Amino acid sequence: EPEVTQTPSHQVTQMGQEVILRCVPISNHLYFYWYRQILGQKVEFLVSFYNNEISEKSEIFDDQFSVERPDGSNFTLKIRSTKLEDSAMYFCASRPDNGANSPLHFGNGTRLTVT
Amino acid sequence: LAKTTQPISMDSYEGQEVNITCSHNNIATNDYITWYQQFPSQGPRFIIQGYKTKVTNEVASLFIPADRKSSTLSLPRVSLSDTAVYYCLVGDNGGYNKLIFGAGTRLAVHP
Repeated sequence: EPEVTQTPSHQVTQMGQEVILRCVPISNHLYFYWYRQILGQKVEFLVSFYNNEISEKSEIFDDQFSVERPDGSNFTLKIRSTKLEDSAMYFCASRPDNGANSPLHFGNGTRLTVT
Repeated sequence: LAKTTQPISMDSYEGQEVNITCSHNNIATNDYITWYQQFPSQGPRFIIQGYKTKVTNEVASLFIPADRKSSTLSLPRVSLSDTAVYYCLVGDNGGYNKLIFGAGTRLAVHP
């Protein structure tokens, strides 16, 4: 069964550094998402992306965050200047369309630790 | 916004049937109800989805009453490996570009 893959599985960075989290969505999917989950808390929506532009974003997704689909397979999340509170699991998800009956397929996440 | 309400936690024992109910009083006409399962340090995993009445797959059943204001995920004969957090989601605001997770139900299965 095709799956969403994320790399790296764990990223450690120093405060103020830039990080890029990478995702390869399922190949025939058209809608892409980033969510994050701070340890012990719920899964939070960050951003959705379709047709090379952002569809929706949450208040968490401020100017420090950006997303890109640089080629036909990768979908990236960049944090320009990391803060301690950015430490979390970051999950990428994709779906073939945005219909109500089209479930999200999630990757297993990147654990970001900011020191 | 179609907000959902679930119990924070539930306990069960191996071999029992577990029913987790989710309330979604302001569900929209076009919304589907979707359940996800999440193990620690893993991404949420799709379990089952339905619109009305009953849906069954190899993992679970989903019961949706006629008014669709609630739904019940039924896990038959749970095992220790079913210990996880279970999330109920409905489409958000008709656009389906911003699916919001609630706090979920933390299920603990005991030997």
